[in-house]
Amino acid sequence: GESVGLHLPTLSVQEGDNSIINCAYSNSASDYFIWYKQESGKGPQFIIDIRSNMDKRQGQRVTVLLNKTVKHLSLQIAATQPGDSAVYFCAENSGGSNYKLTFGKGTLLTVNP
Amino acid sequence: EADIYQTPRYLVIGTGKKITLECSQTMGHDKMYWYQQDPGMELHLIHYSYGVNSTEKGDLSSESTVSRIRTEHFPLTLESARPSHTSQYLCASSELGGVRTFGSGTRLTVV
Repeated sequence: GESVGLHLPTLSVQEGDNSIINCAYSNSASDYFIWYKQESGKGPQFIIDIRSNMDKRQGQRVTVLLNKTVKHLSLQIAATQPGDSAVYFCAENSGGSNYKLTFGKGTLLTVNP
Repeated sequence: EADIYQTPRYLVIGTGKKITLECSQTMGHDKMYWYQQDPGMELHLIHYSYGVNSTEKGDLSSESTVSRIRTEHFPLTLESARPSHTSQYLCASSELGGVRTFGSGTRLTVV
């Protein structure tokens, strides 16, 4: 069945280092992917998205890479800051124009000062 | 400022009580959603609506019900709360496309 999963449930990095959070998806028909950040006590917050016709997309300090061959998605955070500490979720759209999102299990990112 | 609001933020209630979780958005979005999330776990869609008078059940079976009488309002009701309903409930909305804007959630504890 459809599933979205993360390779690492926790990631601990030093402030200033780059972080890479990975996500595997199983539905090869998924055409749109989103990364969300969820801080403690808050709802998920949109970070960046990418469509399946792209391999890479950059935002402010974040880059999302999509490898459709191995059905793998990653979020790279440059110069990680303490404020980046949160749980990160990837979500895939398998519902076409209805945008039915399937969320994966989160990765807890901890940034050590 | 356009946003999405959920009340209450925290709720502790006894078994058998009826509760309504409120969700309102000021963005004029047609699509609204309710997700259930246990701590540190993924989000599971329990209800969604594509517009006024439109409601559908999501992927995760839920004993809750929803209504959509106004575009901006999408309340969720539990007729008889049980301890198994203890969870966080997140409301979201979206315009076209997939990006959801989420509220801060309601953390429900049923004792």
